[in-house]
Amino acid sequence: DTGVSQDPRHKITKRGQNVTFRCDPISEHNRLYWYRQTLGQGPEFLTYFQNEAQLEKSRLLSDRFSAERPKGSFSTLEIQRTEQGDSAMYLCASSLAFTGTGKETQYFGPGTRLLVL
Amino acid sequence: GENVEQHPSTLSVQEGDSAVIKCTYSDSASNYFPWYKQELGKGPQLIIDIRSNVGEKKDQRIAVTLNKTAKHFSLHITETQPEDSAVYFCAARKAAGNKLTFGGGTRVLVKP
Repeated sequence: DTGVSQDPRHKITKRGQNVTFRCDPISEHNRLYWYRQTLGQGPEFLTYFQNEAQLEKSRLLSDRFSAERPKGSFSTLEIQRTEQGDSAMYLCASSLAFTGTGKETQYFGPGTRLLVL
Repeated sequence: GENVEQHPSTLSVQEGDSAVIKCTYSDSASNYFPWYKQELGKGPQLIIDIRSNVGEKKDQRIAVTLNKTAKHFSLHITETQPEDSAVYFCAARKAAGNKLTFGGGTRVLVKP
């Protein structure tokens, strides 16, 4: 399977614990996005990387959230001191963007569903 | 920032009938409008997209129309089948931007 993969698919944690999610994009894709989706809502943008550079962060991304893409390939999203309000599906998407053309299609992974008790 | 509204939130159709989902966007700078289908427990999958330099695009049973003046776009599914049952999301992206802004989703149920 050459699509976007995410690990784990499900995570249950207790409030106050730290969690880390991993995303492996489609090979050769230079952009990687993180979105959050709560039940019954559309995905909301959190942050994105162009290669290893984090270029934009949403106001939704509090200081408890941190994302990395150290070698421009896979990415991790860490949530520290989890709260019940962090319970959601965390989606990763990747794309091959050609600067200046506006031609870019985002392909989503299956998501990691987080439940904070 | 961009705001995308999507209607209806739920849609029930008889197999073989057509389904239409409508979205409006707020930012006239948006120029790319994809539609995603999300099945239970899965991530969104792109089904069709349209850029602002065209007014309509078709792919087999699926079509999307765009009215830039009115800032709205629609998804049309013809000859619906039970496997079309899913949640559909519209989205918009600005020309100079990267992130997608999604609508709230439409749950489509196709009754056999």
